[in-house]
Amino acid sequence: EIVLTQSPATLSLSPGERATLSCRASQSVTSYLAWYQHKPGQAPRLLIYDATNRATGIPARFSGSGSGTDFTLSISSLEPEDFAVYYCQQRSSWPVTFGQGTRLEIK
Amino acid sequence: EVQLVEFGGGSVQPGGSLRLSCAASGFTFTTSGMNWVRQAPGEGLEWISYISSSSSVIKYADSVKGRFTISRDNAKNSLYLQMNSLREEDTAVYYCSKRINGDYGAFDYWGQGTLVTVSS
Repeated sequence: EIVLTQSPATLSLSPGERATLSCRASQSVTSYLAWYQHKPGQAPRLLIYDATNRATGIPARFSGSGSGTDFTLSISSLEPEDFAVYYCQQRSSWPVTFGQGTRLEIK
Repeated sequence: EVQLVEFGGGSVQPGGSLRLSCAASGFTFTTSGMNWVRQAPGEGLEWISYISSSSSVIKYADSVKGRFTISRDNAKNSLYLQMNSLREEDTAVYYCSKRINGDYGAFDYWGQGTLVTVSS
């Protein structure tokens, strides 16, 4: 099973700041990595798929980079609605696995 | 508009059974691979099962293998999860989700989830 390790566990920032979230895989997932945003009581929302592609309707302030084992989700200028939990996910091999999440909170 | 609506959750005693359903609309269900993902209280997301569009490929997480069965009815645009031998650690919100590109890809649409509580 591929283990995804996200860092940091919690990120405290202010609106307008830049956020950088990391995801490291225990073995190569090539580019088969996605990022999701999840707010309490809501459905998870796909942000980035295949490492770098923004999903439909996702603002340009969200971007993804990386390949192999190291990936980054960047949010260029935080909006109030961006404060949530973010998960990375790999689909390179079964079972599909998620990282443990990074909580992005308002400073 | 893509819609996924889960139902069938509720409270059940350990060892009991429950069947979840997911009603799909707004996309071509017959060509979409589907998944069940759950989130236990205070925990992260856990993928538990996948079924391809034609039901020819089915996968399970080890945590549910042998106890849960995924199925679909393409004529009814519906996805199911039969959960048997339920344990307290199966308590979670259960989400259905679809693949972004046929049977492949990330999970681009999710339902709002249905809560399953396993407790004596």
